Amino acid sequence: NAGVTQTPKFRILKIGQSMTLQCAQDMNHNYMYWYRQDPGMGLKLIYYSVGAGITDKGEVPNGYNVSRSTTEDFPLRLELAAPSQTSVYFCASSYSGISYEQYFGPGTRLTVT
Amino acid sequence: KNEVEQSPQNLTAQEGEFITINCSYSVGISALHWLQQHPGGGIVSLFMLSSGKKKHGRLIATINIQEKHSSLHITASHPRDSAVYICASPQGAQKLVFGQGTRLTINP
Repeated sequence: NAGVTQTPKFRILKIGQSMTLQCAQDMNHNYMYWYRQDPGMGLKLIYYSVGAGITDKGEVPNGYNVSRSTTEDFPLRLELAAPSQTSVYFCASSYSGISYEQYFGPGTRLTVT
Repeated sequence: KNEVEQSPQNLTAQEGEFITINCSYSVGISALHWLQQHPGGGIVSLFMLSSGKKKHGRLIATINIQEKHSSLHITASHPRDSAVYICASPQGAQKLVFGQGTRLTINP
């Protein structure tokens, strides 16, 4: 199994551009999460999904959108990128929620200039 | 609001030393996670525990539910243990609250 994969690994965006961060898992997990990690800060939840077709906001959803059309994929869309969105983004999945082992992707380092 | 506090924030030790990293949280929990973030940035789950103690190789995690406190211990530390160690506790149905992490450096 590949586990949780993320693309791209690195990206530089100009202010106002848009992009999609891709996340996929091959463990048939229903629960998937997007986090951002800022320097010196704990990970913050952006969006999460409890199954295909079901998504909900986390702590810091502004400026982002998600979709979950399949169990495997959970893309994160950034619209109108801003410097405040410069961060490292991690996708994670688990079998059945936050009381189960979390599997993380390798992360995407995004810089908005 | 569930806050998660880790101590120390930074820890430097010599190879072979016994390491302890502490995590305190403010509300009752169903499970507490310990994660390891490698220098390259990847995050892996080390432990998930809701009571007592768990051991995996040289790593031991303990939790005291009444005191809202957990510790991660590393015995016979090695330079390859150098990483950031993160604890996280659930808040509500789907949110994990993460500590800021403890940066551990083991010198040979």
